[in-house]
Amino acid sequence: GAGVSQSPRYKVAKRGQDVALRCDPISGHVSLFWYQQALGQGPEFLTYFQNEAQLDKSGLPSDRFFAERPEGSVSTLKIQRTQQEDSAVYLCASSGGLRDSRYEQYFGPGTRLTVT
Amino acid sequence: TQLLEQSPQFLSIQEGENLTVYCNSSSVFSSLQWYRQEPGEGPVLLVTVVTGGEVKKLKRLTFQFGDARKDSSLHITAAQPGDTGLYLCAGARAGGTSYGKLTFGQGTILTVHP
Repeated sequence: GAGVSQSPRYKVAKRGQDVALRCDPISGHVSLFWYQQALGQGPEFLTYFQNEAQLDKSGLPSDRFFAERPEGSVSTLKIQRTQQEDSAVYLCASSGGLRDSRYEQYFGPGTRLTVT
Repeated sequence: TQLLEQSPQFLSIQEGENLTVYCNSSSVFSSLQWYRQEPGEGPVLLVTVVTGGEVKKLKRLTFQFGDARKDSSLHITAAQPGDTGLYLCAGARAGGTSYGKLTFGQGTILTVHP
């Protein structure tokens, strides 16, 4: 399809394990965002890429969180030494970026991470 | 600090009733978006408003952006069970390092009973 895809859809990790979450944005979209969403709450910003450049990582909760987008398309969010408080849905969104003055973002289905 | 206050948090109504969800802030936004999210899915964009005072209609849904671009409302007429879901407002601010990143409200969980 032409939408944003994420994988895996569900991930169960034991406390202390490392996880990697993948996002495939809409083809041609310059901007890519990662958000974290707790159950029944609104998403909270984690980090932003413009092409391959990570321009804002102010929302990453700790240095255990790392994101990359090496070729300006697919992005990976990595969480090292997972903790129970990392359990959440991780959402990826893309937008046309600088060409989109309305800043409309299109979201993937999310990855539900459960840390046991 | 929640920059966008969304109310009510929960709304349980009967089919056919009308409802309004509010989204308020002390900050000015370049654009404001409303999303609907179903369990296990990502938010789906319903509408974007960019001009102060703008009103947009989408079938039974009416969206309004405040004159000062600090607040917005979503009104649903004759709600149907299919309207059930989590409704989210989100504001984008241009300029500086914002790059259009969205600040979300807490969300309104709407349940429409048949």
